[in-house]
Amino acid sequence: DGGITQSPKYLFRKEGQNVTLSCEQNLNHDAMYWYRQDPGQGLRLIYYSQIVNDFQKGDIAEGYSVSREKKESFPLTVTSAQKNPTAFYLCASSIVGTDTQYFGPGTRLTVL
Amino acid sequence: DAKTTQPTSMDCAEGRAANLPCNHSTISGNEYVYWYRQIHSQGPQYIIHGLKNNETNEMASLIITEDRKSSTLILPHATLRDTAVYYCIVRPYTGTASKLTFGTGTRLQVTL
Repeated sequence: DGGITQSPKYLFRKEGQNVTLSCEQNLNHDAMYWYRQDPGQGLRLIYYSQIVNDFQKGDIAEGYSVSREKKESFPLTVTSAQKNPTAFYLCASSIVGTDTQYFGPGTRLTVL
Repeated sequence: DAKTTQPTSMDCAEGRAANLPCNHSTISGNEYVYWYRQIHSQGPQYIIHGLKNNETNEMASLIITEDRKSSTLILPHATLRDTAVYYCIVRPYTGTASKLTFGTGTRLQVTL
């Protein structure tokens, strides 16, 4: 069953702790993305990657870091430098050369 | 990307067609119209896209006016599971990884 998985669905962390959100896809897509969504708001791009071992900052990269060591995986680390980390985080992927992005189910992060 | 205007909310009776309008009067010749939807607390779901011809797939139909300044997404037989926020996005084909810009969308409520 092809698709994008994000785990966990809900995540709670104490303020000041780094946390890593998982994103895995088996669609054989080259490009992967991380977005953040706040209540009642649209999606904002954090980071994206077109190819393994390469990634670019999006509109709100400060306080976040990513890695792309495998085509299938694009984990996002929310660091303690992120001022307002509580949000709904969405991972997506696409075939480079098409503009259709496919999204995972999301991880809702709450920092206490 | 061209700006889009959608109604804030719409209601539709189950089993009836849902027609969701989108105005994009500043669309450029190389910009596509994409539709996504987001069911509450889930990741966005791609529905359909088109350039100037009408398009149909298993989920919906997309009708684009001849001058391309507006379009309508049609869900032919709406069900309760179609209750979601629907986003109309206009963007050029880039051939590379790039962000999707989601506006506020139309909240469709399907009722019995």
